[in-house]
Amino acid sequence: DAEITQSPRHKITETGRQVTLACHQTWNHNNMFWYRQDLGHGLRLIHYSYGVQDTNKGEVSDGYSVSRSNTEDLPLTLESAASSQTSVYFCASSPGGAGETQYFGPGTRLLVL
Amino acid sequence: GIQVEQSPPDLILQEGANSTLRCNFSDSVNNLQWFHQNPWGQLINLFYIPSGTKQNGRLSATTVATERYSLLYISSSQTTDSGVYFCAVAGSARQLTFGSGTQLTVLP
Repeated sequence: DAEITQSPRHKITETGRQVTLACHQTWNHNNMFWYRQDLGHGLRLIHYSYGVQDTNKGEVSDGYSVSRSNTEDLPLTLESAASSQTSVYFCASSPGGAGETQYFGPGTRLLVL
Repeated sequence: GIQVEQSPPDLILQEGANSTLRCNFSDSVNNLQWFHQNPWGQLINLFYIPSGTKQNGRLSATTVATERYSLLYISSSQTTDSGVYFCAVAGSARQLTFGSGTQLTVLP
């Protein structure tokens, strides 16, 4: 079955380290998204991509970067992890265009000490 | 951007009771989704409903796009319905804007 996976599911890191969270989908979806979830804020958009080589900043993009070298993957990189980036991170994908269902991965819990 | 407000923020029910959750949004949308986040943190798609009415078992949803609101109905609630319910919308863009959610607790 087609699916969307995230790895690792849990990670502990130290302030200042570079961290990369992986997102992989097997639906061949054009659109991919990264969100973070914090208590009291719901889910907020970090970065998104509408296709290979396309990346865009979302509402809370500072300190994060993404790259899209193929359809299946959109890795999220924290260049220099900060304690404020402790959160749960969700990746999502949708087929293409607007007005289509987004499907979410299981999430990655990141703790920055 | 589009603003999304959900109400109530918290809801406590006895098992078997019915409930209605509301989502108001500030602009026209071409995507509206309801999610259930279970106690393990997983986001489960409930409905894709930018307009109209849909039903799935004990759950149903109605979106009145012209009046910019959506309702999620849960009938005969069960303890497994507990969790956070999110409404998320998108306008002309493809990315979703989430509401703050409704925390539902169903007591046995």
